[in-house]
Amino acid sequence: AQSVTQLDSHVSVSEGTPVLLRCNYSSSYSPSLFWYVQHPNKGLQLLLKYTSAATLVKGINGFEAEFKKSETSFHLTKPSAHMSDAAEYFCVVSVSPGTYKYIFGTGTRLKVLA
Amino acid sequence: AAGVIQSPRHLIKEKRETATLKCYPIPRHDTVYWYQQGPGQDPQFLISFYEKMQSDKGSIPDRFSAQQFSDYHSELNMSSLELGDSALYFCASSHGWGELQFFGPGTRLTVL
Repeated sequence: AQSVTQLDSHVSVSEGTPVLLRCNYSSSYSPSLFWYVQHPNKGLQLLLKYTSAATLVKGINGFEAEFKKSETSFHLTKPSAHMSDAAEYFCVVSVSPGTYKYIFGTGTRLKVLA
Repeated sequence: AAGVIQSPRHLIKEKRETATLKCYPIPRHDTVYWYQQGPGQDPQFLISFYEKMQSDKGSIPDRFSAQQFSDYHSELNMSSLELGDSALYFCASSHGWGELQFFGPGTRLTVL
């Protein structure tokens, strides 16, 4: 069965410093993995996706993630945090083959300090 | 570009009432997924439809039902509402089963 584990429920960084949000996955098949961001009282916005092409995936707003099969990880990084990055981040795995429903991690709340 | 439309955006109901949530997928998208996000929780898959047929069912209560219509829009019907049904309900659509899902803005349901 597929699942994702987000290792940190809260992360605080200072503005201008690097961001690292950790995600480990479990999948019996080659997974499709995603990172979504949710700002307060807003919907879900896709940051980036991995679908078995390049292992280093670049997304929007300067975010990127690296798929590491040997470590079953898909950590999200950004070189320099901005105040507007403060939000909830979800790591997601797509269940396949089969239904393709999304399974969400429990989320990481990113706080950016001035 | 057109996005997924959900209506209403906010809904307030009393316990034991009925609610209907609507989802209009992106044009030419034939697959719809429903998710429920409780307060402080991650979204949980409820049900999905592909070409108007139910394709999968998650943790959806028996009090809830859904369908996809000929124009591919979907409705989630919720009866005998309980306080615990208060949540943000997301609809997502994709062009083809298994393709990237695009999420709508959600409907916030409050049950009093």
